[in-house]
Amino acid sequence: QVQLQESGPGLVKPSETLSLTCTVSGGSVSSGFSYWSWIRQPPGKGLEWIGYIYNSGSTQYNPSLKSRVTISVDTSKNQFSLKLTSVISADTAVYYCATGYSTLDYWGQGTLVTVSS
Amino acid sequence: DIQMTQSPSTLSASVGDRVTITCRASQSISSWLAWYQQIPGKAPKLLIYKASSLESGAPSRFSGSGSGTEFTLTISSLQPDDYATYYCQQYHSYPWTFGQGTKVEIK
Repeated sequence: QVQLQESGPGLVKPSETLSLTCTVSGGSVSSGFSYWSWIRQPPGKGLEWIGYIYNSGSTQYNPSLKSRVTISVDTSKNQFSLKLTSVISADTAVYYCATGYSTLDYWGQGTLVTVSS
Repeated sequence: DIQMTQSPSTLSASVGDRVTITCRASQSISSWLAWYQQIPGKAPKLLIYKASSLESGAPSRFSGSGSGTEFTLTISSLQPDDYATYYCQQYHSYPWTFGQGTKVEIK
């Protein structure tokens, strides 16, 4: 069964870039599942879909974040990544990576990223 | 964006109760709806996809129904492991959007 693990800094300063990586095991980012997604959840709040990269390499982003988000894949490392630029305190959240054939079948455990100086 | 609205926001129930959660979409999403269970401190877990298909490994006491704009998640007999927050999510159009969540509490 596929397993996902997020990694990256837990603290990012305002105006800087948040960078996270999702390492995939038990599956390949270049085949099998279609959608490789990022989702976030501010403390005590609901879920927000950030975007995905499709296994063809095409991407789809939430318009609310589109100008600041990039999702990419590194097939040599079997990873996919999230970059969010110009972060503000409202970007503080648990960030999850997930994958699936048509939606969000499997999730990583999540990683808390705090935006603070 | 398609708005997803769940009701109720909080639900108190006892072990063995039948529980129903409703999710309404602001426009038709056909059957492109998923339900997730989230236990505090854990990642969401897929329970139902395509409105009524039970995810492999999910207990059979969970069922989903509906199409178009109105959907329900039913737990036929609430178990102690079911106390959690439940989210619906549409994947009919971008951006994918979630309901605000329904917290199921112990009565």
